[in-house]
Amino acid sequence: GAGVSQSPSNKVTEKGKDVELRCDPISGHTALYWYRQSLGQGLEFLIYFQGNSAPDKSGLPSDRFSAERTGGSVSTLTIQRTQQEDSAVYLCASSNGLAGVREQFFGPGTRLTVL
Amino acid sequence: RKEVEQDPGPFNVPEGATVAFNCTYSNSASQSFFWYRQDCRKEPKLLMSVYSSGNEDGRFTAQLNRASQYISLLIRDSKLSDSATYLCVVNPASGTYKYIFGTGTRLKVLA
Repeated sequence: GAGVSQSPSNKVTEKGKDVELRCDPISGHTALYWYRQSLGQGLEFLIYFQGNSAPDKSGLPSDRFSAERTGGSVSTLTIQRTQQEDSAVYLCASSNGLAGVREQFFGPGTRLTVL
Repeated sequence: RKEVEQDPGPFNVPEGATVAFNCTYSNSASQSFFWYRQDCRKEPKLLMSVYSSGNEDGRFTAQLNRASQYISLLIRDSKLSDSATYLCVVNPASGTYKYIFGTGTRLKVLA
């Protein structure tokens, strides 16, 4: 079956512009995560959605970052007024089942470059 | 102190060698533990979960030490294809869907 997909795969933008990154999770997965990975660094948690519960936004680095998940499926991560330090690979993952005990399936990521 | 810490490496080992990585975590309430593998410029993929009693999957063995708050990964008979970054992942509390990733340990298996 289809895995997690993300679009675009690459995005180059100018400083100050807004960008939207999209994630299509595996069908039926109730949990969806966004992470950021800078060059040579580990994954930095940004936000997660679980079912109809309020999302955990504790990892969002600033109010320029926001995310939504429509209909319990597709999610969009929006970065407003992008800065050069926002350049990174943005990874989306989904999982199903009991809290914290299930495998996360990752998408291929969106590589964001802010000039 | 970081919530999850790993030695970044790289660990350079010859084919056939045994290599072990440790990962320490700061939250004693942490419930679930995992090792993920990430190849260069690819997404992470689950290698194995870590169970309280320890578990083995072929050449890979994972251990959990709750008293000292660390998990370990042992790779026996290393293959060239084992070259990758190994990420330690911790679920910090019961009932949460949040995961904390370590920065990873890079392994290079040399011919």
